[in-house]
Amino acid sequence: GIQVEQSPPDLILQEGANSTLRCNFSDSVNNLQWFHQNPWGQLINLFYIPSGTKQNGRLSATTVATERYSLLYISSSQTTDSGVYFCAVGYGNNRLAFGKGNQVVVIP
Amino acid sequence: GAGVSQSPSNKVTEKGKDVELRCDPISGHTALYWYRQRLGQGLEFLIYFQGNSAPDKSGLPSDRFSAERTGESVSTLTIQRTQQEDSAVYLCASSFPGVTEAFFGQGTRLTVV
Repeated sequence: GIQVEQSPPDLILQEGANSTLRCNFSDSVNNLQWFHQNPWGQLINLFYIPSGTKQNGRLSATTVATERYSLLYISSSQTTDSGVYFCAVGYGNNRLAFGKGNQVVVIP
Repeated sequence: GAGVSQSPSNKVTEKGKDVELRCDPISGHTALYWYRQRLGQGLEFLIYFQGNSAPDKSGLPSDRFSAERTGESVSTLTIQRTQQEDSAVYLCASSFPGVTEAFFGQGTRLTVV
C-alpha cells in the first residue's frame, strides 16, 4: 500500500512562532486532507487539498502532487494550535491512508 | 444529521465479551470508513464501505472483527471475544461518493479489562 510520512514527528514552539509540517507520500493520490486532532481526540478538518494552495486564517497548505508532498504552515502559533496534525491521502477506490502525525506543543 | 455520530462515546467491557460500536454517517454520504487508534499512535484502517459495492475489509485485524452497513446509513462494528489489545479509540468517517472530503465522528473509546 501507499506510504505516508510526516515530519517532524514532534515540534515544540514558542507562542507566536511560525512552523512548517511536511507530508510525503509514495505514490499518486486522488486527494489529500490535513486534520488537527484536539486534546479530546476529535479530528478536525483543516484542509482538503489534492493540489495547489489554500489559506484559512493563520493556517495555509500547499500540495505539489507531481512531487508527492504537502506542507502545512502555521503562522503566529497559539496554545490552541497544540495537538496532533495528521495528513491523509486518498488512493485507489478512495481508501484513506494516514501518516503517523506531527505532535505540536505550543508553549506560552 | 449535522455530523458523523458515534455511540457509545465510551465502553468498558470485560475480556472475552462481545461489543458493538455504532456509526451514523452524514446524510447523503455513501462512503463510510472505520479506523482504530491506539494510545499515542496513528490511525489504522479497518474497513471501507462504498454504496452497494462489496466492502474493503482488508484492514480487519482478525476474524473477531466484523462490520455491517445497511444500505447507505448506519454501520455497526462488532468485536467478538474482546482482548486487552483491542483497547483503543474506534473512529468512523463518511464522505460523498467519489474523491471527496471525509469527516470524522468523535470516536468510541473502548477499554477491555
